[in-house]
Amino acid sequence: GQQVMQIPQYQHVQEGEDFTTYCNSSTTLSNIQWYKQRPGGHPVFLIQLVKSGEVKKQKRLTFQFGEAKKNSSLHITATQTTDVGTYVCAQGAQKLVFGQGTRLTINP
Amino acid sequence: DTGVSQDPRHKITKRGQNVTFRCDPISEHNRLYWYRQTLGQGPEFLTYFQNEAQLEKSRLLSDRFSAERPKGSFSTLEIQRTEQGDSAMYLCASSLEVGGVKVYGYTFGSGTRLTVV
Repeated sequence: GQQVMQIPQYQHVQEGEDFTTYCNSSTTLSNIQWYKQRPGGHPVFLIQLVKSGEVKKQKRLTFQFGEAKKNSSLHITATQTTDVGTYVCAQGAQKLVFGQGTRLTINP
Repeated sequence: DTGVSQDPRHKITKRGQNVTFRCDPISEHNRLYWYRQTLGQGPEFLTYFQNEAQLEKSRLLSDRFSAERPKGSFSTLEIQRTEQGDSAMYLCASSLEVGGVKVYGYTFGSGTRLTVV
């Protein structure tokens, strides 16, 4: 299946700072999904993006799907300690192929 | 419905032994997936079912791995002659697909952590 590359692999921020993770593919994606995995937990679905250039917001989280549908980003404004975890993107029509994830840690 | 259930939560086994994991998906979901996850990596696809039919199996899955979903309800994943490299978290997920479109994302279970000693 199509691979998705996520950067950065790790990100440490001060509480209140913003955070962004990127998901990139060399080929056009049919959709992109984002999941959050708390330390020791399982992935929890956040959102699905399907349309070119789509932007969706969930409170302090903003998700974007690139115009060419080859990349996506997740931006968190003013991080809080509850945002700690690994954010993973995934894509696929029949079954999802997951990226490696970006692990976010926060200094309170 | 309390979501996707996996049993057991933890399994420690000796190398060479067989193990079997169970997954009970959300009852309304028609698709069931098995993934494997190791530390610092994203979930890695193993296999998936549409109702009772196994539609795809990863090339990474050796002949020692087998999965079933009798009657399109719960699923089992068996690993025969376990090796230390099989140590990982085994995640089950389910989803609802209508007309080839995922209605929502995957709902994952809490996983079964396998340790082969």
